[in-house]
Amino acid sequence: NAGVTQTPKFQVLKTGQSMTLQCAQDMNHEYMSWYRQDPGMGLRLIHYSVGAGITDQGEVPNGYNVSRSTTEDFPLRLLSAAPSQTSVYFCASSYSDGGNEKLFFGSGTQLSVL
Amino acid sequence: SQQGEEDPQALSIQEGENATMNCSYKTSINNLQWYRQNSGRGLVHLILIRSNEREKHSGRLRVTLDTSKKSSSLLITASRAADTASYFCATDENDYKLSFGAGTTVTVRA
Repeated sequence: NAGVTQTPKFQVLKTGQSMTLQCAQDMNHEYMSWYRQDPGMGLRLIHYSVGAGITDQGEVPNGYNVSRSTTEDFPLRLLSAAPSQTSVYFCASSYSDGGNEKLFFGSGTQLSVL
Repeated sequence: SQQGEEDPQALSIQEGENATMNCSYKTSINNLQWYRQNSGRGLVHLILIRSNEREKHSGRLRVTLDTSKKSSSLLITASRAADTASYFCATDENDYKLSFGAGTTVTVRA
């Protein structure tokens, strides 16, 4: 299994541009999520999904859209990039384990917005 | 909002020494997890301790949980250079949503 795969690894955008960060998992996990990591602030949850067709907002959803048309894929869309969205983005997945759910993370996308 | 807060923010130890880091959280939890992040990589799950457990071991890792104090500690024994990483505690808001602290950066000197 490849696990959780994120593309691209690096991206530079200009303010106002839009783009999609891709996330795919091959473990048949029902749960997927997006976090952003900023220095000194840990990881903050952007959006999450508990299954195909179901998405919900996390702690910092503004400026981001998600959709979950398949179990495997959970893309994150930046609608109009802003410098405040410069961050490292991590996708994670998990499966139901009777209260012992743990996250499997991708290797991250480093995004710079100029 | 961040549920867990790690202490210290950074830790530097000699190879072979033990490393201890702490995590405090604010609200009741079902479980608490520790993750490791090597530089430039994603987080990797280390260990999960449930709210009804007080101590758990996994290899050179020992985790304790004190729900009355809303705190946990992670001990890495006999540290190695490969243990150099950032360590994060995470608490569950529900079954899947985890809230992470800002992490402890551990440097193991040869």
